[in-house]
Amino acid sequence: AQKITQTQPGMFVQEKEAVTLDCTYDTSDPSYGLFWYKQPSSGEMIFLIYQGSYDQQNATEGRYSLNFQKARKSANLVISASQLGDSAMYFCAMRGFNYGGSQGNLIFGKGTKLSVKP
Amino acid sequence: GAGVSQSPSNKVTEKGKDVELRCDPISGHTALYWYRQRLGQGLEFLIYFQGNSAPDKSGLPSDRFSAERTGESVSTLTIQRTQQEDSAVYLCASSFRGQAANTEAFFGQGTRLTVV
Repeated sequence: AQKITQTQPGMFVQEKEAVTLDCTYDTSDPSYGLFWYKQPSSGEMIFLIYQGSYDQQNATEGRYSLNFQKARKSANLVISASQLGDSAMYFCAMRGFNYGGSQGNLIFGKGTKLSVKP
Repeated sequence: GAGVSQSPSNKVTEKGKDVELRCDPISGHTALYWYRQRLGQGLEFLIYFQGNSAPDKSGLPSDRFSAERTGESVSTLTIQRTQQEDSAVYLCASSFRGQAANTEAFFGQGTRLTVV
């Protein structure tokens, strides 16, 4: 079974500083993808970044980067130069491919609430 | 439409009544997901439709919950005999079910269900 663990219920960061949000996962699928989503107080789910299990390099998207350590089964999100608008819930998610080539479900962690202080 | 559309956006119902929640996925998206999000909590998986394959219903919390999808189009989540604990935002998402795991899911705005 797949599982996503986010151990930080809440995090604070000073504006303009970097912050790392932790995510560990467990899966028996031979290949998988890892996603991060942002959910502001408005409730919408915003896709941020994707990392494939066979990608050689860590994914980056603007101020977002993913610190992927496959052996440790971790996929931490790094936000550089935090802005007040980054205050939101952040969810780590995973989708796997089984040996039959069938794309699996998309499961989410419980989320981390990030608060950016001015 | 351009995005995932859910209706109604808000629903207040009396305990014991049945409710139907609707999701219109993005055209061409073969995968469709339903999640439940209680206030301040994470996304709880309910059901996953994957094209013409049998849906993954492993997340449905009880037999009061059911969902249908016709082909690759609209899906309906039905909750029978609603209970107060069913109060939550119900989120629908769709994605293109390609040959890679990297197709992100696009979410609707959700249906906020309140059982009184």
